[in-house]
Amino acid sequence: QKEVEQDPGPLSVPEGAIVSLNCTYSNSAFQYFMWYRQYSRKGPELLMYTYSSGNKEDGRFTAQVDKSSKYISLFIRDSQPSDSATYLCAMTAFDNNNDMRFGAGTRLTVKP
Amino acid sequence: NAGVTQTPKFQVLKTGQSMTLQCAQDMNHEYMSWYRQDPGMGLRLIHYSVGAGITDQGEVPNGYNVSRSTTEDFPLRLLSAAPSQTSVYFCASQTLGQYGYTFGSGTRLTVV
Repeated sequence: QKEVEQDPGPLSVPEGAIVSLNCTYSNSAFQYFMWYRQYSRKGPELLMYTYSSGNKEDGRFTAQVDKSSKYISLFIRDSQPSDSATYLCAMTAFDNNNDMRFGAGTRLTVKP
Repeated sequence: NAGVTQTPKFQVLKTGQSMTLQCAQDMNHEYMSWYRQDPGMGLRLIHYSVGAGITDQGEVPNGYNVSRSTTEDFPLRLLSAAPSQTSVYFCASQTLGQYGYTFGSGTRLTVV
């Protein structure tokens, strides 16, 4: 069993839809959670960062962490074609990246 | 400000050949790392460095060497390429206190 599980998709939604992306994990020591966005043939770029449980909002993006269920989510409101990318979740137990574990990524397409 | 620069972008090697993947960052980041990205596997840490002269192994270090003689550069050496090393390789950097990585644009390596 992988430490971090992420549905690879692909996920296709119409423009303007609300998108929900999710990851589950098995290591209860994880307490720093990140979402990266990766466009085709590019490197990942940090989108959201959350420490411990709770919600964090940044524009159209909301990151949610439920440590009791070992479940994290990324919501995208009013999705745009420019949001079409692969979204990677990542998490670590420490405030450095030596021990970071990544999900395999969910490919999202937002159709005009 | 170039960020993290990786060269080459593409490379085809024959089994048994050696090569060096170059990575340079101009942000004076202390921490640098190498990841490989394979379909369905997510990003996996190969080697990392917390500063010049200091390196350590990650999750999948076999078949790779690294060195860090300067803050800016962190080359990854493949000693004797194998088809299992066919992958996309990403270099990433981070400064202390920053959450998440800055990634390069990747090197696509095929070993035949």
